[in-house]
Amino acid sequence: AQSVTQLDSQVPVFEEAPVELRCNYSSSVSVYLFWYVQYPNQGLQLLLKYLSGSTLVESINGFEAEFNKSQTSFHLRKPSVHISDTAEYFCAVSDSGNNNDMRFGAGTRLTVKP
Amino acid sequence: DVKVTQSSRYLVKRTGEKVFLECVQDMDHENMFWYRQDPGLGLRLIYFSYDVKMKEKGDIPEGYSVSREKKERFSLILESASTNQTSMYLCASSAWDTHYEQYFGPGTRLTVT
Repeated sequence: AQSVTQLDSQVPVFEEAPVELRCNYSSSVSVYLFWYVQYPNQGLQLLLKYLSGSTLVESINGFEAEFNKSQTSFHLRKPSVHISDTAEYFCAVSDSGNNNDMRFGAGTRLTVKP
Repeated sequence: DVKVTQSSRYLVKRTGEKVFLECVQDMDHENMFWYRQDPGLGLRLIYFSYDVKMKEKGDIPEGYSVSREKKERFSLILESASTNQTSMYLCASSAWDTHYEQYFGPGTRLTVT
Protein backbone atom coordinates (compact mmCIF):
# COMPACT_ATOMS: atom_id res chain seq x y z
CA ALA A 1 0.00 0.00 0.00
CA GLN A 2 1.09 3.54 -0.57
CA SER A 3 1.95 6.04 2.15
CA VAL A 4 2.69 9.75 2.44
CA THR A 5 5.14 11.68 4.57
CA GLN A 6 4.86 15.41 5.02
CA LEU A 7 8.20 16.47 6.33
CA ASP A 8 7.16 19.61 8.18
CA SER A 9 4.29 19.79 10.63
CA GLN A 10 4.42 23.59 10.84
CA VAL A 11 5.82 26.21 8.48
CA PRO A 12 5.79 29.86 9.58
CA VAL A 13 6.64 32.45 6.93
CA PHE A 14 6.31 36.17 6.44
CA GLU A 15 3.91 37.63 3.92
CA GLU A 16 5.30 37.86 0.36
CA ALA A 17 8.04 35.33 1.12
CA PRO A 18 8.32 32.10 -0.91
CA VAL A 19 7.28 28.82 0.65
CA GLU A 20 7.77 25.12 -0.02
CA LEU A 21 5.75 22.40 1.70
CA ARG A 22 7.41 19.04 1.32
CA CYS A 23 5.72 15.75 0.51
CA ASN A 24 7.24 12.35 -0.14
CA TYR A 25 5.31 9.22 -0.97
CA SER A 26 6.02 5.54 -1.26
CA SER A 27 4.26 3.21 -3.65
CA SER A 28 5.07 0.19 -5.74
CA VAL A 29 2.59 1.17 -8.45
CA SER A 30 1.80 4.23 -10.49
CA VAL A 31 0.03 6.92 -8.53
CA TYR A 32 -2.17 9.97 -8.60
CA LEU A 33 -1.05 12.80 -6.32
CA PHE A 34 -3.09 15.53 -4.69
CA TRP A 35 -2.71 18.57 -2.49
CA TYR A 36 -5.71 19.59 -0.40
CA VAL A 37 -6.10 22.74 1.70
CA GLN A 38 -8.16 23.10 4.87
CA TYR A 39 -9.03 26.57 6.11
CA PRO A 40 -10.03 26.94 9.78
CA ASN A 41 -13.29 25.20 10.63
CA GLN A 42 -13.81 23.92 7.11
CA GLY A 43 -13.49 20.67 5.20
CA LEU A 44 -10.73 19.90 2.74
CA GLN A 45 -10.68 21.49 -0.70
CA LEU A 46 -8.65 20.25 -3.64
CA LEU A 47 -5.79 22.61 -4.43
CA LEU A 48 -4.17 20.75 -7.33
CA LYS A 49 -3.57 17.26 -8.64
CA TYR A 50 -1.20 15.24 -10.77
CA LEU A 51 -2.72 12.44 -12.82
CA SER A 52 -0.39 12.11 -15.80
CA GLY A 53 1.42 14.20 -18.40
CA SER A 54 3.28 17.36 -17.40
CA THR A 55 4.99 16.90 -14.07
CA LEU A 56 4.39 20.52 -13.09
CA VAL A 57 0.83 21.31 -12.06
CA GLU A 58 -0.60 24.64 -10.97
CA SER A 59 -3.53 25.93 -8.98
CA ILE A 60 -5.60 29.02 -9.71
CA ASN A 61 -4.26 30.87 -6.67
CA GLY A 62 -0.55 30.67 -7.51
CA PHE A 63 0.53 27.38 -5.95
CA GLU A 64 2.39 24.80 -8.00
CA ALA A 65 3.69 21.29 -7.38
CA GLU A 66 6.11 19.12 -9.26
CA PHE A 67 5.92 15.38 -9.51
CA ASN A 68 9.39 13.90 -9.21
CA LYS A 69 9.22 10.18 -9.79
CA SER A 70 12.88 9.46 -9.07
CA GLN A 71 12.69 11.20 -5.71
CA THR A 72 9.08 10.10 -5.05
CA SER A 73 8.19 13.65 -4.13
CA PHE A 74 5.40 16.09 -4.82
CA HIS A 75 6.45 19.33 -3.10
CA LEU A 76 4.11 22.32 -3.06
CA ARG A 77 5.51 25.78 -3.72
CA LYS A 78 4.37 29.37 -3.93
CA PRO A 79 6.71 32.24 -4.83
CA SER A 80 4.93 34.84 -2.69
CA VAL A 81 2.41 33.99 0.03
CA HIS A 82 -0.48 36.03 1.40
CA ILE A 83 -2.05 36.16 4.83
CA SER A 84 -5.05 34.36 3.32
CA ASP A 85 -2.89 31.32 2.54
CA THR A 86 -2.77 30.51 6.25
CA ALA A 87 -4.27 27.02 6.43
CA GLU A 88 -3.43 23.37 6.83
CA TYR A 89 -2.22 21.56 3.72
CA PHE A 90 -2.52 17.85 3.12
CA CYS A 91 -0.68 15.80 0.55
CA ALA A 92 -2.47 12.65 -0.65
CA VAL A 93 -1.64 9.72 -2.89
CA SER A 94 -3.83 7.10 -4.52
CA ASP A 95 -3.01 4.03 -6.52
CA SER A 96 -4.03 4.88 -10.07
CA GLY A 97 -5.50 1.40 -10.42
CA ASN A 98 -7.35 1.38 -7.10
CA ASN A 99 -8.61 4.84 -6.59
CA ASN A 100 -10.61 4.17 -3.47
CA ASP A 101 -7.41 3.77 -1.52
CA MET A 102 -6.33 7.37 -1.00
CA ARG A 103 -3.72 7.98 1.70
CA PHE A 104 -3.21 11.33 3.36
CA GLY A 105 -0.18 12.83 5.02
CA ALA A 106 -0.34 14.20 8.56
CA GLY A 107 -0.66 17.75 7.29
CA THR A 108 1.47 20.90 7.31
CA ARG A 109 0.18 23.98 9.04
CA LEU A 110 1.23 27.06 7.09
CA THR A 111 1.11 30.29 9.06
CA VAL A 112 1.71 33.52 7.15
CA LYS A 113 2.72 36.45 9.33
CA PRO A 114 2.37 40.12 8.40
CA ASP B 1 -20.36 22.15 -8.09
CA VAL B 2 -20.30 19.07 -5.91
CA LYS B 3 -21.83 19.63 -2.57
CA VAL B 4 -21.27 17.38 0.41
CA THR B 5 -23.21 18.26 3.52
CA GLN B 6 -22.96 16.93 7.03
CA SER B 7 -25.83 17.03 9.47
CA SER B 8 -24.05 18.87 12.29
CA ARG B 9 -20.99 21.11 12.57
CA TYR B 10 -20.66 20.61 16.31
CA LEU B 11 -21.98 17.82 18.49
CA VAL B 12 -21.60 17.07 22.19
CA LYS B 13 -22.57 13.63 23.45
CA ARG B 14 -22.19 11.68 26.66
CA THR B 15 -20.21 8.48 27.06
CA GLY B 16 -22.31 5.46 26.13
CA GLU B 17 -24.75 7.33 23.90
CA LYS B 18 -25.50 6.15 20.38
CA VAL B 19 -24.42 8.79 17.88
CA PHE B 20 -25.48 9.22 14.26
CA LEU B 21 -23.50 11.37 11.82
CA GLU B 22 -25.19 11.94 8.48
CA CYS B 23 -23.61 12.83 5.16
CA VAL B 24 -25.36 13.70 1.92
CA GLN B 25 -23.85 14.35 -1.52
CA ASP B 26 -25.68 15.76 -4.51
CA MET B 27 -23.51 14.62 -7.43
CA ASP B 28 -24.55 11.01 -7.84
CA HIS B 29 -21.09 9.80 -6.75
CA GLU B 30 -20.78 6.09 -6.27
CA ASN B 31 -18.11 6.26 -3.57
CA MET B 32 -18.46 7.74 -0.11
CA PHE B 33 -16.02 7.85 2.79
CA TRP B 34 -15.85 8.59 6.49
CA TYR B 35 -12.57 9.84 8.00
CA ARG B 36 -11.57 11.07 11.38
CA GLN B 37 -9.05 13.85 11.66
CA ASP B 38 -6.81 14.23 14.70
CA PRO B 39 -3.89 16.65 15.17
CA GLY B 40 -0.62 15.17 13.97
CA LEU B 41 -2.31 12.10 12.51
CA GLY B 42 -3.90 13.54 9.40
CA LEU B 43 -6.97 11.79 8.04
CA ARG B 44 -7.62 8.18 8.89
CA LEU B 45 -10.20 6.18 6.99
CA ILE B 46 -12.95 4.63 9.10
CA TYR B 47 -15.22 3.10 6.42
CA PHE B 48 -16.02 3.59 2.79
CA SER B 49 -18.81 2.52 0.49
CA TYR B 50 -18.64 1.99 -3.25
CA ASP B 51 -22.33 1.32 -3.79
CA VAL B 52 -25.66 1.27 -2.00
CA LYS B 53 -25.68 -1.25 0.85
CA MET B 54 -21.97 -1.98 0.24
CA LYS B 55 -19.30 -1.08 2.78
CA GLU B 56 -15.64 -1.73 3.37
CA LYS B 57 -13.62 -1.28 6.55
CA GLY B 58 -10.91 1.28 6.52
CA ASP B 59 -7.94 1.55 8.83
CA ILE B 60 -9.78 2.24 12.08
CA PRO B 61 -13.29 0.72 11.98
CA GLU B 62 -13.41 -0.42 15.60
CA GLY B 63 -16.24 1.21 17.53
CA TYR B 64 -17.98 2.43 14.37
CA SER B 65 -20.53 1.14 11.90
CA VAL B 66 -22.01 2.64 8.73
CA SER B 67 -25.17 2.54 6.70
CA ARG B 68 -25.81 3.36 3.05
CA GLU B 69 -29.43 2.79 2.12
CA LYS B 70 -29.51 5.43 -0.63
CA LYS B 71 -26.78 6.43 -3.05
CA GLU B 72 -26.61 10.01 -1.83
CA ARG B 73 -26.54 9.32 1.91
CA PHE B 74 -23.86 7.69 4.07
CA SER B 75 -24.26 7.48 7.82
CA LEU B 76 -21.63 6.88 10.47
CA ILE B 77 -22.82 5.31 13.72
CA LEU B 78 -21.05 5.24 17.04
CA GLU B 79 -22.88 2.45 18.87
CA SER B 80 -21.64 3.49 22.31
CA ALA B 81 -19.65 6.70 22.24
CA SER B 82 -16.42 6.86 24.20
CA THR B 83 -14.15 9.79 25.06
CA ASN B 84 -11.46 8.54 22.68
CA GLN B 85 -13.90 9.10 19.81
CA THR B 86 -13.76 12.84 20.40
CA SER B 87 -12.53 14.08 17.04
CA MET B 88 -13.31 15.85 13.78
CA TYR B 89 -15.25 13.62 11.41
CA LEU B 90 -15.07 14.29 7.69
CA CYS B 91 -17.25 12.80 4.99
CA ALA B 92 -16.16 12.66 1.35
CA SER B 93 -17.43 11.38 -1.99
CA SER B 94 -15.82 10.53 -5.31
CA ALA B 95 -16.55 9.17 -8.78
CA TRP B 96 -14.63 7.31 -11.46
CA ASP B 97 -15.09 10.07 -14.03
CA THR B 98 -13.17 12.61 -11.94
CA HIS B 99 -10.27 10.23 -11.30
CA TYR B 100 -11.69 9.57 -7.87
CA GLU B 101 -10.86 13.06 -6.63
CA GLN B 102 -12.50 13.29 -3.24
CA TYR B 103 -14.92 16.05 -2.35
CA PHE B 104 -15.27 16.81 1.33
CA GLY B 105 -18.01 18.04 3.61
CA PRO B 106 -17.36 20.76 6.22
CA GLY B 107 -16.80 18.27 9.02
CA THR B 108 -18.48 17.49 12.33
CA ARG B 109 -16.57 18.22 15.50
CA LEU B 110 -17.74 15.62 17.99
CA THR B 111 -17.01 15.91 21.69
CA VAL B 112 -17.78 12.96 23.94
CA THR B 113 -17.87 13.80 27.64
